[in-house]
Amino acid sequence: EIVLTQSPGTLSLSPGERATLSCRASQSVTSNSLAWYQQKPGQAPRLLIYYASGRATGIPDRFSGSGSGTDFTLTISRLDPEDFAVYYCQQYGSSLTFGGGTKVEIK
Amino acid sequence: QVQLQESGPGLVKPSQTLSLTCTVSGDSISSGGYYWSWIRQHPGKGLEWIGYMYYRGSTDYNPSLKSRVTISIDTSKNQFSLKLTSVTAADTAVYYCAREADTTGGAFDIWGQGTMVTVSS
Repeated sequence: EIVLTQSPGTLSLSPGERATLSCRASQSVTSNSLAWYQQKPGQAPRLLIYYASGRATGIPDRFSGSGSGTDFTLTISRLDPEDFAVYYCQQYGSSLTFGGGTKVEIK
Repeated sequence: QVQLQESGPGLVKPSQTLSLTCTVSGDSISSGGYYWSWIRQHPGKGLEWIGYMYYRGSTDYNPSLKSRVTISIDTSKNQFSLKLTSVTAADTAVYYCAREADTTGGAFDIWGQGTMVTVSS
C-alpha cells in the first residue's frame, strides 16, 4: 500500500498569502496519478487537481498542482477567505489511498 | 448536472450489517466511463476508500475491508449499494458515495453529501 504523508499538518496564513502544501508518497505514484481535494466543515470533499497538475472543472486558476514520482505540491497563489479548509491528496496509481490532510487556517 | 445522494439507516447495532444506497441522478449509471465508489470518514479524521464497482460488474475493494464489503449496482434504479458486515464501533463514520471518471484517471469528481452512520447498541 502506498502511504501518503502530507505536511505541514496545519498552515496558518493570512488572506492574500501564498500557500504551499506537500504530499510525499512512500513509493513512486504510477503515471502521476495523484489528486488534491478541498474539504470544508460539514461538506463533502471537492476535487481540485487530478493527474498531479490537471485542474478540475470550475476550479480557479489560483490553485495549481505540481510534482512527480514521490513528491507532489499543491499551491494556492493568493489565499481567498473561502480557501481556508482542509486539503487532502489521494493517489490512484496503485489501489487507492488518501493522505492525512493539511488544514489551512486563518492566521 | 450529475448528483449523488446517499440513503440508509443512521444507526446500526454491533455485529449487524450496514447497508447504504446511492442514487444517481442526471446521468445513467450504465453510461460507461465511470466507477462508482464508497468512501468513509471517521469523525474528525481523514478519508478512507472502501471500494468501487463498474456497471459491468468488476469490483475492487480496500484490502483492509475486503472480507466484509460488498458493492452492487442496480441499473434499473440507477443506484449502487454498499453492504458492510459484522460492524463494530470502529465503523462509525460519515459514508460518502462518489464517482470516479476515466477522464480524471480515477480521481473522484462528484460526491454525495455524505451520511452519518453510528454503530451502537
